[in-house]
Amino acid sequence: AQSVAQPEDQVNVAEGNPLTVKCTYSVSGNPYLFWYVQYPNRGLQFLLKYITGDNLVKGSYGFEAEFNKSQTSFHLKKPSALVSDSALYFCAVRRGEAGTALIFGKGTTLSVSS
Amino acid sequence: DSGVTQTPKHLITATGQRVTLRCSPRSGDLSVYWYQQSLDQGLQFLIQYYNGEERAKGNILERFSAQQFPDLHSELNLSSLELGDSALYFCASSVNSGSGNEQFFGPGTRLTVL
Repeated sequence: AQSVAQPEDQVNVAEGNPLTVKCTYSVSGNPYLFWYVQYPNRGLQFLLKYITGDNLVKGSYGFEAEFNKSQTSFHLKKPSALVSDSALYFCAVRRGEAGTALIFGKGTTLSVSS
Repeated sequence: DSGVTQTPKHLITATGQRVTLRCSPRSGDLSVYWYQQSLDQGLQFLIQYYNGEERAKGNILERFSAQQFPDLHSELNLSSLELGDSALYFCASSVNSGSGNEQFFGPGTRLTVL
């Protein structure tokens, strides 16, 4: 069975500091990994994905994520946080086969203080 | 704006009733997904349709059903509603049914069952 763990309910960082939002996954076969962000009263917005290739993936708004197969992790990072990055972040995994569901983690609230 | 539209934005109804939620995918997208987001269960995949046919099924209750019409819009029908069905229901779309495609989410329908 597929599963995603986001071990931190909340991450607090100061503006200008680097941020990391952690994600580990469990899936049989090759994983397809995604990060989404949700602002209050809004739908989810796609940030980035890993399908294959380079382990470092760059996405929207300066975010990047590193796929680590041995640690089954896909942590989201940004070199310099902005107050506007404050939101709820979801990691998701899907098996690389047709007819499979996208499984989401419980989400991590990122709070960036000025 | 993701290009995915959902109606209505809010829905308040009573236990035992039936409601229909509507979703229009982004122009050109053939796949539609339905998700339920609640505080206790998080974001749960319900069902996926691709070009009118059911493609994947998740934790969807028997009281719930969905369909995708020839014009590619989709409806999620919830019947015999219970208090626990109160949640935010999201529709998402992607260009096809491939597992590596990112999904684009609508703003959601907030269902309140009294």
